[in-house]
Amino acid sequence: NAGVTQTPKFQVLKTGQSMTLQCAQDMNHEYMSWYRQDPGMGLRLIHYSVGAGITDQGEVPNGYNVSRSTTEDFPLRLLSAAPSQTSVYFCASSPGLSGGAHEQFFGPGTRLTVL
Amino acid sequence: AQSVTQLDSQVPVFEEAPVELRCNYSSSVSVYLFWYVQYPNQGLQLLLKYLSGSTLVESINGFEAEFNKSQTSFHLRKPSVHISDTAEYFCAVSGFGTGANNLFFGTGTRLTVIP
Repeated sequence: NAGVTQTPKFQVLKTGQSMTLQCAQDMNHEYMSWYRQDPGMGLRLIHYSVGAGITDQGEVPNGYNVSRSTTEDFPLRLLSAAPSQTSVYFCASSPGLSGGAHEQFFGPGTRLTVL
Repeated sequence: AQSVTQLDSQVPVFEEAPVELRCNYSSSVSVYLFWYVQYPNQGLQLLLKYLSGSTLVESINGFEAEFNKSQTSFHLRKPSVHISDTAEYFCAVSGFGTGANNLFFGTGTRLTVIP
């Protein structure tokens, strides 16, 4: 199993550009989520999904969109990048409540810089 | 709502000395508690978790944490640290209901082991 994979590893954008961060998992996990990590602030939840076709907002959803058309994929879209979105983004997955577990498995991260 | 406080942002400690990383949480409901470790330029890895049962939980590399409900704490300890333990450590909490898999993280503690 590859686990949770994220692409790209690094990205530089100009203010106003849009892009999609890709996340995929091969563990058949129901639950997937996106976090951003900023210095001194820990990780904060952006969006999450409890299954294909179901998404919801986390703590800091503004400026981001998600969709979950398949169990495996959970892309994060930046609609119009802003310097405040410079951060490291982590995708995570979990078997979900029906799997009896709350542990989340994290991808390696995408480091995004918005100029 | 849940929240997590990690009071120590940086903890330097000499090799083979004991260490304690403090974590306090607040929640109006029962919670599940986690410690994650992040090595430089990597994603997060689960170190240990408390779901139920024994309040003392252990990891395979010598760390342990004790769930103390009356003090709402989940401090991480290791009796003798190694250079390879240098990393950032995050305490996290998840709960019940919609989005029960969602993790709320503390701001992290950077452990530096000095030779």
